[in-house]
Amino acid sequence: AQRVTQPEKLLSVFKGAPVELKCNYSYSGSPELFWYVQYSRQRLQLLLRHISRESIKGFTADLNKGETSFHLKKPFAQEEDSAMYYCALGTGSEKLVFGKGTKLTVNP
Amino acid sequence: KAGVTQTPRYLIKTRGQQVTLSCSPISGHRSVSWYQQTPGQGLQFLFEYFSETQRNKGNFPGRFSGRQFSNSRSEMNVSTLELGDSALYLCASSLVGIVNTEAFFGQGTRLTVV
Repeated sequence: AQRVTQPEKLLSVFKGAPVELKCNYSYSGSPELFWYVQYSRQRLQLLLRHISRESIKGFTADLNKGETSFHLKKPFAQEEDSAMYYCALGTGSEKLVFGKGTKLTVNP
Repeated sequence: KAGVTQTPRYLIKTRGQQVTLSCSPISGHRSVSWYQQTPGQGLQFLFEYFSETQRNKGNFPGRFSGRQFSNSRSEMNVSTLELGDSALYLCASSLVGIVNTEAFFGQGTRLTVV
């Protein structure tokens, strides 16, 4: 079965602290992994995808096939990073399986 | 360029009725995907259309259907509405597919079934 698990529903950090949002997936094939973000009163938008290996807004994520993980990291959190973050798994077809999301709050 | 437009933004329907939701993708995008978002289940895939053909369908009952027109606009229909159909329905448009090309989401249609 294809599944994405985000173990933390809520995550709270202070500004300037490192942040890591966890994502684990279950899929027997070759996965495509994504992070989507939804800021307050805005649309869901793509943050990054593992295949591009980019750093977006200071965030990075490394696909670890051995641990079936795709954790999102940022060394120094900013208040504007407060949002809902969704990890998503793409399989062989053009559809995504989303995790339940983690609400990140960055406190001043 | 204009983003993905979903209409209407809000709907209130009675159990047993049917409803049609519309999604206008970004110009040039040929793939439209639909997702249902609820507090309990999160984001769940409904179906995906590409060039007027349904390529994928999620695990939803047959009451949920959709179509795509030649201009790539898509509609989804839910018949015989149930209370559990209350949700935010999101559509996403992309050039050729949500996995292989960047997808852009609409603001969603909030459906409430009473």
